[in-house]
Amino acid sequence: GQQVMQIPQYQHVQEGEDFTTYCNSSTTLSNIQWYKQRPGGHPVFLIQLVKSGEVKKQKRLTFQFGEAKKNSSLHITATQTTDVGTYFCGSGGGSNYKLTFGKGTLLTVNP
Amino acid sequence: DTAVSQTPKYLVTQMGNDKSIKCEQNLGHDTMYWYKQDSKKFLKIMFSYNNKELIINETVPNRFSPKSPDKAHLNLHINSLELGDSAVYFCASSQGGGVTDTQYFGPGTRLTVL
Repeated sequence: GQQVMQIPQYQHVQEGEDFTTYCNSSTTLSNIQWYKQRPGGHPVFLIQLVKSGEVKKQKRLTFQFGEAKKNSSLHITATQTTDVGTYFCGSGGGSNYKLTFGKGTLLTVNP
Repeated sequence: DTAVSQTPKYLVTQMGNDKSIKCEQNLGHDTMYWYKQDSKKFLKIMFSYNNKELIINETVPNRFSPKSPDKAHLNLHINSLELGDSAVYFCASSQGGGVTDTQYFGPGTRLTVL
């Protein structure tokens, strides 16, 4: 079935440093959704990418979808302590009623 | 008003017991889901329902029985609880079941089986 690999599993940065998490698949993805889960919280939708090579920005966050639609990345510029949490990518992979998530990247930020 | 709500927030119980978790969404969505998040934070789909009909059952043991009395509610009953059932269970909903539909998660139910 559809598998989405996410790396790294953990990332610890100093406040102000940049952060990137990657999501990879061996098959072409129909779309990528990114979610953020704060410690003790629930996943919250951030953004969706659908088109090949698509780039979207939300303030300090930049999301990219690869040209072949097999990978995606989330980049945070100048991290802040409020960025702490686990970032998940997910894809429908062509199957309705089912979102397959990567294992997530836990970001911790040292103030 | 909370868009997707779950009760209880915490559940501590003994092995072998039966327990239920309730979920309600007030977003008018057609599709609801149950996810299990283990201690390593892996978020795995268990079930999805569309308009009260079961669509996806991801090879979940039949000790887990979801029930959807109407499209705003999706409950999860678990029989004969085992230690490995300890996890956080998230309910979610989406407008439809399409791959591009955004999922809205409830606050989660932390289940601890002793």
